Amino acid sequence: GAGVSQSPSNKVTEKGKDVELRCDPISGHTALYWYRQSLGQGLEFLIYFQGNSAPDKSGLPSDRFSAERTGGSVSTLTIQRTQQEDSAVYLCASSLVGLAGDTQYFGPGTRLTVL
Amino acid sequence: GENVEQHPSTLSVQEGDSAVIKCTYSDSASNYFPWYKQELGKRPQLIIDIRSNVGEKKDQRIAVTLNKTAKHFSLHITETQPEDSAVYFCAARGGGADGLTFGKGTHLIIQP
Repeated sequence: GAGVSQSPSNKVTEKGKDVELRCDPISGHTALYWYRQSLGQGLEFLIYFQGNSAPDKSGLPSDRFSAERTGGSVSTLTIQRTQQEDSAVYLCASSLVGLAGDTQYFGPGTRLTVL
Repeated sequence: GENVEQHPSTLSVQEGDSAVIKCTYSDSASNYFPWYKQELGKRPQLIIDIRSNVGEKKDQRIAVTLNKTAKHFSLHITETQPEDSAVYFCAARGGGADGLTFGKGTHLIIQP
């Protein structure tokens, strides 16, 4: 079946512009996660959705970052007034119910470059 | 919050030899420990995971061990093959956390 998909695959933007990144989770998965992977680094947890609600936003790096999820499916990560340090690969993952032992399946990521 | 340390950052082994990657975690409440493999330009793929009520788990050439007392877990790959070359990430979750906390990764190089 279809896995997690993300769009766009690549995004180049100018410093100060806003960007929106999209994630389509696996059908039926109630939990959705956003991570950021900087060059040569591990994955940094950003935010978690259970259904449409985000009980934990503490991983978002600053108030320029926000995310929403509608209809318990698609999620959008928005970065306002982008900075060069925002350049990274943004990965989305989904899992069936969001429990600690639930396998998280990753999407291919969106490579964001801020010039 | 949770902190995961991973060693080594780079590991080069001869084809056919074994590879071991080690991770430590800080939060004793963590109870789920997955390992992901990421090839260049690709998404992370789960290769094996272990839960805190189990000490060891094996899947063909791959095994993971967990020592809860010492708060460390390890990935063992036997009879390494060229296609094992990739970056491997350990992670931990639990203790009320929602996302996974990842180590910084190990670049495994299989020498022919």
